[in-house]
Amino acid sequence: GENVEQHPSTLSVQEGDSAVIKCTYSDSASNYFPWYKQELGKRPQLIIDIRSNVGEKKDQRIAVTLNKTAKHFSLHITETQPEDSAVYFCAATVQGAQKLVFGQGTRLTINP
Amino acid sequence: DTEVTQTPKHLVMGMTNKKSLKCEQHMGHRAMYWYKQKAKKPPELMFVYSYEKLSINESVPSRFSPECPNSSLLNLHLHALQPEDSALYLCASSQESQSNEQFFGPGTRLTVL
Repeated sequence: GENVEQHPSTLSVQEGDSAVIKCTYSDSASNYFPWYKQELGKRPQLIIDIRSNVGEKKDQRIAVTLNKTAKHFSLHITETQPEDSAVYFCAATVQGAQKLVFGQGTRLTINP
Repeated sequence: DTEVTQTPKHLVMGMTNKKSLKCEQHMGHRAMYWYKQKAKKPPELMFVYSYEKLSINESVPSRFSPECPNSSLLNLHLHALQPEDSALYLCASSQESQSNEQFFGPGTRLTVL
């Protein structure tokens, strides 16, 4: 089955700097890769996703890149702000398969 | 309505109690999910209902019993739980077929004494 590894487990950056979180997956059949943000005590919220037919997707300050050959995908957050502090989870699945396989999470802290 | 709602927000129960968690969505989604999340861990899939039928059971102990009364509601019945079952229980929903976008509810924080 699918296995997703996420790095780093914790990340601390200065406000205004960029943050990058990386995930690798094992199943070459996986073709849908969402990223969730979970603030303390809150629900996971989908912030961006990418499907295997594109290599990059951007939404304002966040972007996701996908390298199918290397089976890894990354979340990029630019111009970080204190409200970006949260735990971020990547996930992978085959489209329509219903079961998301999550990475272990990255705790991102933005220092003012 | 574009949210998944869950009740109660918090629940404390003894090991001999019977309780139920409830989840509701009015987005017309036909797939609904129960996840368990321990502190500092990712959500762990428990059950998936698709078109009101159980489609995935991730080998969950029988002390957890899911129910989908209709396409908008999902329940999780709890009986004879153990302290290690204490966790955040998240409900999620998604459109069926080609969409994998799952939308999570706020969760029920369960404590088993």
